[in-house]
Amino acid sequence: AQSVAQPEDQVNVAEGNPLTVKCTYSVSGNPYLFWYVQYPNRGLQFLLKYITGDNLVKGSYGFEAEFNKSQTSFHLKKPSALVSDSALYFCAVRDIRAAAGNKLTFGGGTRVLVKP
Amino acid sequence: NAGVTQTPKFRVLKTGQSMTLLCAQDMNHEYMYWYRQDPGMGLRLIHYSVGEGTTAKGEVPDGYNVSRLKKQNFLLGLESAAPSQTSVYFCASSRRQGYEQYFGPGTRLTVT
Repeated sequence: AQSVAQPEDQVNVAEGNPLTVKCTYSVSGNPYLFWYVQYPNRGLQFLLKYITGDNLVKGSYGFEAEFNKSQTSFHLKKPSALVSDSALYFCAVRDIRAAAGNKLTFGGGTRVLVKP
Repeated sequence: NAGVTQTPKFRVLKTGQSMTLLCAQDMNHEYMYWYRQDPGMGLRLIHYSVGEGTTAKGEVPDGYNVSRLKKQNFLLGLESAAPSQTSVYFCASSRRQGYEQYFGPGTRLTVT
């Protein structure tokens, strides 16, 4: 069975500094990986995904993620964080079984706090 | 294009009462999902559907039932609510070949 780990419950960063949110995964076969963001009292919003191709994936709101197969990681990054990036971030991996209906397994989430 | 909508937004139930949560999507997606989100536990899949008239169990299906009579709607039922079902419930949908899921705004349910 696949799994996702987000080792940090919270990440604090000053506005304008680089932001990194860590994610590691365990899956049989080639992984399909996703990042979502959740603002307070809202549903999850899709940020970006890695299916195949370039290891650096660009997504919404200036975010990008780097896929590293040897380290089984898919870290989310933003070169210059904004206060408005403060939110809860989830990493997820897709179940590769054909009959699985694109089911996702989510990590526990990382809260990002960007201070002015 | 409203995306994924959920009804109601909030609900308080007494133990033993029943209710149905409605999810609707206008994106013509084949797949739909119900999750619950609890503090410190991320999102857990309750049930999902790969097409009209079909449903399947997820990670935490006990105490819930679902139905998908129309492609655009996915209903989650609680027959006899328990305090352990106090949670925020999210519905999501995806295309068969798109992989990413699109989420509704959530329903906050409290069972007393």
